[in-house]
Amino acid sequence: SQQGEEDPQALSIQEGENATMNCSYKTSINNLQWYRQNSGRGLVHLILIRSNEREKHSGRLRVTLDTSKKSSSLLITASRAADTASYFCATSVGSGAGSYQLTFGKGTKLSVIP
Amino acid sequence: SQTIHQWPATLVQPVGSPLSLECTVEGTSNPNLYWYRQAAGRGLQLLFYSVGIGQISSEVPQNLSASRPQDRQFILSSKKLLLSDSGFYLCAWSGSLYVDTEAFFGQGTRLTVV
Repeated sequence: SQQGEEDPQALSIQEGENATMNCSYKTSINNLQWYRQNSGRGLVHLILIRSNEREKHSGRLRVTLDTSKKSSSLLITASRAADTASYFCATSVGSGAGSYQLTFGKGTKLSVIP
Repeated sequence: SQTIHQWPATLVQPVGSPLSLECTVEGTSNPNLYWYRQAAGRGLQLLFYSVGIGQISSEVPQNLSASRPQDRQFILSSKKLLLSDSGFYLCAWSGSLYVDTEAFFGQGTRLTVV
């Protein structure tokens, strides 16, 4: 079952604008991660935020986490055409036997228009 | 450094034929291994994950199966493919010792069942 749900499903912006994507999840998590997928390729890890953190930055990326609302947001500032991709949130939960399972949402397809 | 290999990149198979997709990881020991499927324009669906040799957990009942004959080898199989098995299959690994671990993905296999 899907743990995370991204919103919006698709987003189209002009180059230079900021892009904000949201993720909601259902159960308690260890951490939340954001990934990027270029068309027809594998996913690439962007950033991880722990359940006891509220905000994290990495370059032009800013991630927030609100565990009370079970939601997270990914902000990409000063977007570039090269940021065009699908973005997924993934939640880490314990799956027993000392292991952890990542569950992905359906993703937000971002198009940055030059 | 760690790398993940997944092959083939593209596969066209007739309905009823068998399937074998292979994934191998280098540069790490005792990884958690995952098989995901991504339907066109959809999110990632976790099919199988493994925390060790011979240990396979299935998330979705279907005509696919997975095996882990060696520590760093993960195989996805089917005895008889269905049209509904078409999709983009992704193998991934993550570290097993720490909760705050990211997943590393292969480049995927585009499977078309005709």
